[in-house]
Amino acid sequence: EAGVTQFPSHSVIEKGQTVTLRCDPISGHDNLYWYRRVMGKEIKFLLHFVKESKQDESGMPNNRFLAERTGGTYSTLKVQPAELEDSGVYFCASSEQALAKNIQYFGAGTRLSVL
Amino acid sequence: AQSVTQLGSHVSVSEGALVLLRCNYSSSVPPYLFWYVQYPNQGLQLLLKYTSAATLVKGINGFEAEFKKSETSFHLTKPSAHMSDAAEYFCAVSGISGGYNKLIFGAGTRLAVHP
Repeated sequence: EAGVTQFPSHSVIEKGQTVTLRCDPISGHDNLYWYRRVMGKEIKFLLHFVKESKQDESGMPNNRFLAERTGGTYSTLKVQPAELEDSGVYFCASSEQALAKNIQYFGAGTRLSVL
Repeated sequence: AQSVTQLGSHVSVSEGALVLLRCNYSSSVPPYLFWYVQYPNQGLQLLLKYTSAATLVKGINGFEAEFKKSETSFHLTKPSAHMSDAAEYFCAVSGISGGYNKLIFGAGTRLAVHP
């Protein structure tokens, strides 16, 4: 069974450009999460989808970030326009149910470098 | 605010020595607790989780952790370190206020194992 896949694995862009990250969750997982780790800091929650609906987007930093999950399958996270402080590793995770005790399975992350 | 504290961003041990990675959380109610590990160029992998059953939890690769409510701690241990244990370890909690099932992470501890 395929795990959570993310691409690209690494993206280097210039300030002001747009970048789109993609996440494919484990098949059958209705719950999809995005997290971000800025260098040297802790991994922080961005948002949570249940199928195609945003359940919790309290961690989204600002309106330059747009997450979508059309059809309730894969998800994209677009940053437009990118700023220097957006650099970091973006992780995606998925789980079968939205219970606190459920395991979230993580992808390898996308390392975003904004120059 | 709810938080997770991992004492020591870097820990170095000799091969065969005890591994002890510390994790403390702040919460008014016992949360669900997780330890994840990230090997180079890989995603976060679950080592073990505590979900209010036995306080001593055994995980993969010989790791275990003990939940101590009185100390609000969930330290990770392994009796004998192996070179392959070199990685970054993250403690996380869920089930606390502000988002029932989102994970709140500590800053991570990078474990180095030397011969």
